[in-house]
Amino acid sequence: QVQLQESGPGLVKPSGTLSLTCAVSGGSISSSNWWSWVRQPPGKGLEWIGEIYHSGSTNYNPSLKSRVTISVDKSKNQFSLKLSSVTAADTAVYYCGYLPTIWGQGTLVTVSS
Amino acid sequence: SYELTQPPSVSVSPGQTARITCSGDALPKKYAYWYQQKSGQAPVLVIYEDSKRPSGIPERFSGSSSGTMATLTISGAQVEDEADYYCYSTDSSGNHNYVFGTGTKVTVL
Repeated sequence: QVQLQESGPGLVKPSGTLSLTCAVSGGSISSSNWWSWVRQPPGKGLEWIGEIYHSGSTNYNPSLKSRVTISVDKSKNQFSLKLSSVTAADTAVYYCGYLPTIWGQGTLVTVSS
Repeated sequence: SYELTQPPSVSVSPGQTARITCSGDALPKKYAYWYQQKSGQAPVLVIYEDSKRPSGIPERFSGSSSGTMATLTISGAQVEDEADYYCYSTDSSGNHNYVFGTGTKVTVL
């Protein structure tokens, strides 16, 4: 059974870049599926950020596309999220996922000086 | 941008039936998925491909889709079903533009 674990800084300064990694265990990131990122601001709903295939092909939420980069590292069996020019509105729990079925536990990232 | 619209809240008495709707223009052509999210936890898939139930999900959870509306039904709701529920689907562009519904808070009391 595939398991996912997010990691990265819990605090990012405004205008900086948010960087998170999702470690994949119990399976290979080179399997035939897309690997996703989703976020949830405190007290609000879920927002799909984007996805990546092991080949490196990506799809992004149009509303975030200009600031988002998702990459994959097959040697480490993990994939990553970078979100640039962050503001307080980017404060959220960030989940990585093997959608639709498997989610990481989520990690809270706060944007504050 | 594509939107999936859900009612903000649904209340039901224990043992009664709760129905949660999800409205979206692409639903006649695209599958709907449903997630249950309890406070402080990651979402859990309860229905996939409109009406299929993953292993381990109680039979009281069912899904259907007709036209531009998908529906999640909880038949004989239990207190432990109190949670937020989100539908999930994609638009009709073919560009992998996924969207979550606005979310519905289900209260069982």
